[in-house]
Amino acid sequence: GAVVSQHPSRVICKSGTSVKIECRSLDFQATTMFWYRQFPKQSLMLMATSNEGSKATYEQGVEKDKFLINHASLTLSTLTVTSAHPEDSSFYICSAPNPGQGYHEQFFGPGTRLTVL
Amino acid sequence: TQLLEQSPQFLSIQEGENLTVYCNSSSVFSSLQWYRQEPGEGPVLLVTVVTGGEVKKLKRLTFQFGDARKDSSLHITAAQPGDTGLYLCAGVRDNQFYFGTGTSLTVIP
Repeated sequence: GAVVSQHPSRVICKSGTSVKIECRSLDFQATTMFWYRQFPKQSLMLMATSNEGSKATYEQGVEKDKFLINHASLTLSTLTVTSAHPEDSSFYICSAPNPGQGYHEQFFGPGTRLTVL
Repeated sequence: TQLLEQSPQFLSIQEGENLTVYCNSSSVFSSLQWYRQEPGEGPVLLVTVVTGGEVKKLKRLTFQFGDARKDSSLHITAAQPGDTGLYLCAGVRDNQFYFGTGTSLTVIP
């Protein structure tokens, strides 16, 4: 089946630094990818929709200048957390729609645990 | 306010017991999925239901889509410790993907 990878799986950084998270679709093309944030034992919160060749669409309340999204190719989207602070510590997950099922199914990456000291 | 509300939010049961998780909304969805997520990993798709009233079985798991396509349930028979995890429903509406509030299940050996 289709696979979505994320890198890194874990990252620890100092407050004020920037962190880049990569999301790749390994055996299919994804013109759209989604970025989610998740707190322990809670559901996923959609942060933004990443669109290949155009600007990302951000959900209400998500700072676009803080969470920079770049959909560089049909297989790669990146999320950069700029000037990270401890409150940005969270589990970040990306997903891509199953090309055979459109938006009816999503393939999820394994997630990235970000800890900001 | 989330479009899909799950209940219960937390559930802790003994191995061998049965349980049902509910996913409710006032909106109609063109399809609904159930995912299971283990700590530190991404959600894994369990099933997709499309037709109102549809019932699907996956070993000890039974999924049902409501007749009006506004709600769904997940029933687990004879729960096992390996069933422990976060269960998420997700609905598709107008090409938008909406996640439920989540149900954290713990099955005690």
